[in-house]
Amino acid sequence: QKEVEQNSGPLSVPEGAIASLNCTYSDRGSQSFFWYRQYSGKSPELIMSIYSNGDKEDGRFTAQLNKASQYVSLLIRDSQPSDSATYLCAVGTTAGNKLTFGGGTRVLVKP
Amino acid sequence: GAVVSQHPSRVICKSGTSVKIECRSLDFQATTMFWYRQFPKKSLMLMATSNEGSKATYEQGVEKDKFLINHASLTLSTLTVTSAHPEDSSFYICSAESPGQGVRGDSPLHFGNGTRLTVT
Repeated sequence: QKEVEQNSGPLSVPEGAIASLNCTYSDRGSQSFFWYRQYSGKSPELIMSIYSNGDKEDGRFTAQLNKASQYVSLLIRDSQPSDSATYLCAVGTTAGNKLTFGGGTRVLVKP
Repeated sequence: GAVVSQHPSRVICKSGTSVKIECRSLDFQATTMFWYRQFPKKSLMLMATSNEGSKATYEQGVEKDKFLINHASLTLSTLTVTSAHPEDSSFYICSAESPGQGVRGDSPLHFGNGTRLTVT
């Protein structure tokens, strides 16, 4: 059974600091990796996608992928109170876009 | 950007009735849409994959006769919860593939705003 694991948190971060979120996955055939942000009562919003080993940066967000270790992470620099949300890691295989989601990490950015 | 519209956003129904939820891709054609279910403080659980013009593919443990999916056009998929019961109360979210932006044609999913179903 394919699994995606995340620390549920909450991860408490001071405003302006870096928030570091981790995700591990069990299926070595996974080829696509996504980070979604979900505010309470709302649907997920895509933040980052990454497909190759290494880092990918987009604004204040950096995704890191290590397929050998089956590990993907998300860094949020200069954290803002508006970043307070649940962050979902999602993993897909080459067999279409059927994603498996992790349980999510709740992030709290304190002013 | 790709927009997915889901309707209604909130519905309350009585036990035993049926509820239809619509998912539309507004500015792109989606041959594949996905239906998820999310319980409070839990992650998204894939219920089924909706394919335009063919039968939906249901995940293990999801009753296809209870959760009817129709994907009649490239921009519309519907989920009907039949004979709803209180345990069906949940947040239902659809998503659709937008034209690929990544390698190997992989494309990120875009989600509708979700439907909060409450069965009394």
